[in-house]
Amino acid sequence: DTAVSQTPKYLVTQMGNDKSIKCEQNLGHDTMYWYKQDSKKFLKIMFSYNNKELIINETVPNRFSPKSPDKAHLNLHINSLELGDSAVYFCASSLAGGLNEQFFGPGTRLTVL
Amino acid sequence: AQSVTQPDIHITVSEGASLELRCNYSYGATPYLFWYVQSPGQGLQLLLKYFSGDTLVQGIKGFEAEFKRSQSSFNLRKPSVHWSDAAEYFCAVVPLGFQKLVFGTGTRLLVSP
Repeated sequence: DTAVSQTPKYLVTQMGNDKSIKCEQNLGHDTMYWYKQDSKKFLKIMFSYNNKELIINETVPNRFSPKSPDKAHLNLHINSLELGDSAVYFCASSLAGGLNEQFFGPGTRLTVL
Repeated sequence: AQSVTQPDIHITVSEGASLELRCNYSYGATPYLFWYVQSPGQGLQLLLKYFSGDTLVQGIKGFEAEFKRSQSSFNLRKPSVHWSDAAEYFCAVVPLGFQKLVFGTGTRLLVSP
């Protein structure tokens, strides 16, 4: 039983395309996150949702739009993909509050050609 | 500038030898401190965390970390490394008044036979 799952695991696409990554957690957590890990393994938060409400929105291009249909799901839609968007994107979840352990999904490796 | 620094990009340790991974932070007030591990091709897993109290913290998989306020450090240690410990290790903080994890740049641990 996967706690935090992401689909797809790999995504290869052309510049200019629009793509989505889906995330689901079955831990009953209130808060979900999207992180971006670049080619140098640097990991940075992009967004955080608590009970479907956006609470953290880092300096991310507005081509990136998170959507949380319910507490268990947080999807990431990316418009007009650019080469620099190539990275591994991680979804995570936790109980509410920034100090609780975050449980990470396995990641989605996005390659933009 | 506020930051989390992991000075060692790579560390190689012989199996059975002891390990210490360094982490320093630069914040006006001591943040909340975490260590996460990322095994190859997987998401991150919390090893341990420090909020207050005893400055030596025990975690999972035989890891421990020591908080030293005078040195602004939170170094991770393990007395005897196993081949399965080969992974990327991330120090992270939650700055006071914030609700997000800020990660260091990571240290890749290689374990030699």
